[in-house]
Amino acid sequence: DIEMTQSPSSLSASVGDRVTITCRASQGMSKYLAWYQQQKAGKVPKLLIYAASTLQSGVPSRFSGSGSGTDFTLTISSLQPEDVATYYCQKYNSAPLTFGGGTKVEIK
Amino acid sequence: EVQLVESGGGLVQPGRSLRLSCAASGFTFDDYAMHWVRQAPGKGLEWVSGISWNSDTIDYVDSVKGRFTISRDNAENSLYLQMNSLRAEDTALYFCAKSRSRTIAAALNYWGQGILVTVSS
Repeated sequence: DIEMTQSPSSLSASVGDRVTITCRASQGMSKYLAWYQQQKAGKVPKLLIYAASTLQSGVPSRFSGSGSGTDFTLTISSLQPEDVATYYCQKYNSAPLTFGGGTKVEIK
Repeated sequence: EVQLVESGGGLVQPGRSLRLSCAASGFTFDDYAMHWVRQAPGKGLEWVSGISWNSDTIDYVDSVKGRFTISRDNAENSLYLQMNSLRAEDTALYFCAKSRSRTIAAALNYWGQGILVTVSS
């Protein structure tokens, strides 16, 4: 099975900073990758990006995704207070639809 | 408005069974695959199982194979997860989630609020 590794596991940045989160797959998987935001553990996850770079309807344009194959990136161009959350990548090319371990984003 | 409402959770002893349900509304249920995702206390998200729109394709994470069974009733707009031989490590908040596609191989664009399952003696 393909393993998904996210880095860093946590980060702290200032409002307005550019933030980058990386997700690496143990095998190539084209662009079958999604990013989710979970504002607190136990709260409902929200789909941000699918197909590696397609923004889900209603998601602010400061969020963007890139990559294909094994290396993917989620970028927040200008961090806002409401972006404090844990972010997860997920592969969905085939089962199991594995999630990465998560990246917790905090405000400095 | 898409709504997914889980039910059937609770406290159960190890080795016993529980059946989760997810009532869907606000979309054409039989046009989309559906999934169960769980989150153990203080841990990350774990995909548990998925079922295609017509139940032809079903998959599970290895840790629940042979113990959990996913099913759906398109006439009732409902998704189910039958959980047998429950273990302490199955303790988690279980989310029902809608796929963007008829197939399992798609992102999950709507999620329920989750239902807590606690396995303990």
